[in-house]
Amino acid sequence: DTAVSQTPKYLVTQMGNDKSIKCEQNLGHDTMYWYKQDSKKFLKIMFSYNNKELIINETVPNRFSPKSPDKAHLNLHINSLELGDSAVYFCASTRQGSDTQYFGPGTRLTVL
Amino acid sequence: TQLLEQSPQFLSIQEGENLTVYCNSSSVFSSLQWYRQEPGEGPVLLVTVVTGGEVKKLKRLTFQFGDARKDSSLHITAAQPGDTGLYLCAGGNYGQNFVFGPGTRLSVLP
Repeated sequence: DTAVSQTPKYLVTQMGNDKSIKCEQNLGHDTMYWYKQDSKKFLKIMFSYNNKELIINETVPNRFSPKSPDKAHLNLHINSLELGDSAVYFCASTRQGSDTQYFGPGTRLTVL
Repeated sequence: TQLLEQSPQFLSIQEGENLTVYCNSSSVFSSLQWYRQEPGEGPVLLVTVVTGGEVKKLKRLTFQFGDARKDSSLHITAAQPGDTGLYLCAGGNYGQNFVFGPGTRLSVLP
């Protein structure tokens, strides 16, 4: 019973392409997040989202956009991929009022 | 911008040794979390500390939050190979997203 799942696990694509990463949580949580972890393992938040509010890290390029079809899903769309987008992307979720974040297993994106 | 620093960046020790890793900031946080991340997986929460001076123990792991709530330490007693991983600290403030440190990569050799 995976709490937070992501697909795909690995994604290799050419520069300039558009791609999506999917995230689903079955915990009934209210808030979901996307993080980027670079080659130095620095974990940086990109977005946080609940059914009321989307908070965007101002350093995230507008080529990245989160889309939430429902409370249990937060997908990440990336347009015009660049070499610097190569990283591991983690989805996470929390219950309202809790600080405990549950992370997915990550998606390793490689842009060639 | 609130920043967290962690030291050491890398640590390699023999099984059975004790170790301490540190998480420091010039900013005050309302809570601080420690995570462990294993290769190919997402971070897993170990503990959350919220009170200045608070000490929490989780089996062989002891976590302390500084009195001023700007720093924290993680002490592992009698380290085991299963403790190997990337240890991340994350600081949070009421209603705001957590900020993560760069991590300490621990390797415990059998």
